[in-house]
Amino acid sequence: EVQLLESGGSLVQPGGSLKLSCAASGFTFSNYAMTWVRQAPGKGLEWVALIGDSGGSTFYADTVKGRFTISRDNSKNTLYLQMNSLRAEDTAIYYCAKQLWSAHFFDYWGQGALVTVSS
Amino acid sequence: QTVVTQEPSFSVSPGGTVTLTCGLSSGSVSSSHYPSWYQQTPGQAPRTLIYRTNARSSGVPDRFSGSILGNKAALTITGAQADDESDYHCVLYMGSGISVFGGGTKVTVL
Repeated sequence: EVQLLESGGSLVQPGGSLKLSCAASGFTFSNYAMTWVRQAPGKGLEWVALIGDSGGSTFYADTVKGRFTISRDNSKNTLYLQMNSLRAEDTAIYYCAKQLWSAHFFDYWGQGALVTVSS
Repeated sequence: QTVVTQEPSFSVSPGGTVTLTCGLSSGSVSSSHYPSWYQQTPGQAPRTLIYRTNARSSGVPDRFSGSILGNKAALTITGAQADDESDYHCVLYMGSGISVFGGGTKVTVL
């Protein structure tokens, strides 16, 4: 059974940093691209970042480019999202998702981690 | 900047049919955008319904179907049930690794 478990969400001040983790199990992690999607309170979903299976390719939404870094450790079956220079508008639930690169969709989702940016 | 458009809300009667659409602020949606659809109930993670325009994800009932209608992607619910009351999100692949979600459609079954 595929499982994705996010952790690391918390309250952080504007301008601060936070690192989210997503522990994966139930599939061969190193064979799949992974993505982060977020959802601000009462809003729709927003694609944030994508990383290829080896970690050699990364892509970002314009809203986070230059501030967020997606990475992975295939030896630990773990996906990461380093978030710097956080703003109030980054407040959201952050979901990690397994992505089928060839079909460009997300087939499994974690339960999400809440990040609140506030002073 | 590319905007993906969805109807904010729809209402459907139990047993009825509803078609949600997913368009672009500029241009037409095609299969090359690999349209996919996700269902989400309050407080829950999204659930994958449709990918690659019209392929149903594992375990998804066949009352959910995907297509291209005119210049938009579409999700049709045929024979709506009470537990279909949810938010529905579409996402389009824009190339170069970039995906863009629509704003979501809230479907009420009453």
